[in-house]
Amino acid sequence: IAGITQAPTSQILAAGRRMTLRCTQDMRHNAMYWYRQDLGLGLRLIHYSNTAGTTGKGEVPDGYSVSRANTDDFPLTLASAVPSQTSVYFCASSSAGRIDTQYFGPGTRLTVL
Amino acid sequence: GENVEQHPSTLSVQEGDSAVIKCTYSDSASNYFPWYKQELGKGPQLIIDIRSNVGEKKDQRIAVTLNKTAKHFSLHITETQPEDSAVYFCAASTWNQFYFGTGTSLTVIP
Repeated sequence: IAGITQAPTSQILAAGRRMTLRCTQDMRHNAMYWYRQDLGLGLRLIHYSNTAGTTGKGEVPDGYSVSRANTDDFPLTLASAVPSQTSVYFCASSSAGRIDTQYFGPGTRLTVL
Repeated sequence: GENVEQHPSTLSVQEGDSAVIKCTYSDSASNYFPWYKQELGKGPQLIIDIRSNVGEKKDQRIAVTLNKTAKHFSLHITETQPEDSAVYFCAASTWNQFYFGTGTSLTVIP
């Protein structure tokens, strides 16, 4: 079934540890996005990629990095996790950028202690 | 940047009644306005969208209206059913910016 997969589903992490959240899509979409979702704040864009080989910063990029080596994969890395990064993380993709339907993955629930 | 405000934050309606969720935006360049539904434990899913050259769009029990002059748009759900219970997010987008509202938790009481 076409769509977006994320891994892991959930993770508990000690502060200071490095963590990579994985995201893969099989729809051959050009654009991909990482959001964090916190209660009362909705979804906030962390980083995006308009096409393979390019990335950009969103609304809340500090403490996170991304790479886009190919069309399908868009991993999000926390170099040194802090408790304020406890959140639910969603990956999304779209065919034609921001003015197009975004398809979301099932999310990763991350807890940093 | 864009500022999208969404009201109300919570909404309870009786089954069969209508529900209305409203959003305002600040950037007059915004030209794409999608609505997403998020069920518990899942990612958001697009339910309807509207572009700036259209004032109203309807899909069965769901409709969206857009007033570009006043910079607000609304989601209307008629004949609500228990399966409509979820969190709904509006969003406003230009070609290079995309901002979500803070969400409305809708509960449909059987």
